[in-house]
Amino acid sequence: GEDVEQSLFLSVREGDSSVINCTYTDSSSTYLYWYKQEPGAGLQLLTYIFSNMDMKQDQRLTVLLNKKDKHLSLRIADTQTGDSAIYFCAETPGGFKTIFGAGTRLFVKA
Amino acid sequence: GAVVSQHPSRVICKSGTSVKIECRSLDFQATTMFWYRQFPKQSLMLMATSNEGSKATYEQGVEKDKFLINHASLTLSTLTVTSAHPEDSSFYICSAREGRVNTEAFFGQGTRLTVV
Repeated sequence: GEDVEQSLFLSVREGDSSVINCTYTDSSSTYLYWYKQEPGAGLQLLTYIFSNMDMKQDQRLTVLLNKKDKHLSLRIADTQTGDSAIYFCAETPGGFKTIFGAGTRLFVKA
Repeated sequence: GAVVSQHPSRVICKSGTSVKIECRSLDFQATTMFWYRQFPKQSLMLMATSNEGSKATYEQGVEKDKFLINHASLTLSTLTVTSAHPEDSSFYICSAREGRVNTEAFFGQGTRLTVV
């Protein structure tokens, strides 16, 4: 079946690193995504990783993929108050539709 | 990235009326569009997938007569919530992709529907 799981809350201090974890179920997902949603707003694509990669770095963001365990993580370095938002992990079973996790609410304390 | 425009961003309607939400791809042709619903503090639930020129495919549990989807052109899909009730109040988001598989999906800004 299709199910994406992530922890619901994460609280960090400004300047620290944040690590948001996600597990997915469908090994046919070609791409795995991280989206950001600020209050009352739509989704912003943060980054994605192709399934044959182990790691992808994009400025302050690092995505790690463990395909064997179907585990995906997003690390945000030097977390800022503006990073406070909900972060959704998403898989694409069969490369077609996008299935989202429940979202991790990140609180950044000044 | 490509732009998907969703309109309106907010709408309030009375119970029993119908409301239409538009999703437009502004700078690409969207072969496939997806409609999602998001309840407060919850994830996005895929409601239906529509391919241009054909009937939408609805996910299990989504009433197709309640949520009418039309994808008549490569740049426009509409979701009509018919005979709206307060429990239909939610955040509705569309996404569009140029190809059918393994291409990036771009999301609209979302529409907050409140039924009073």
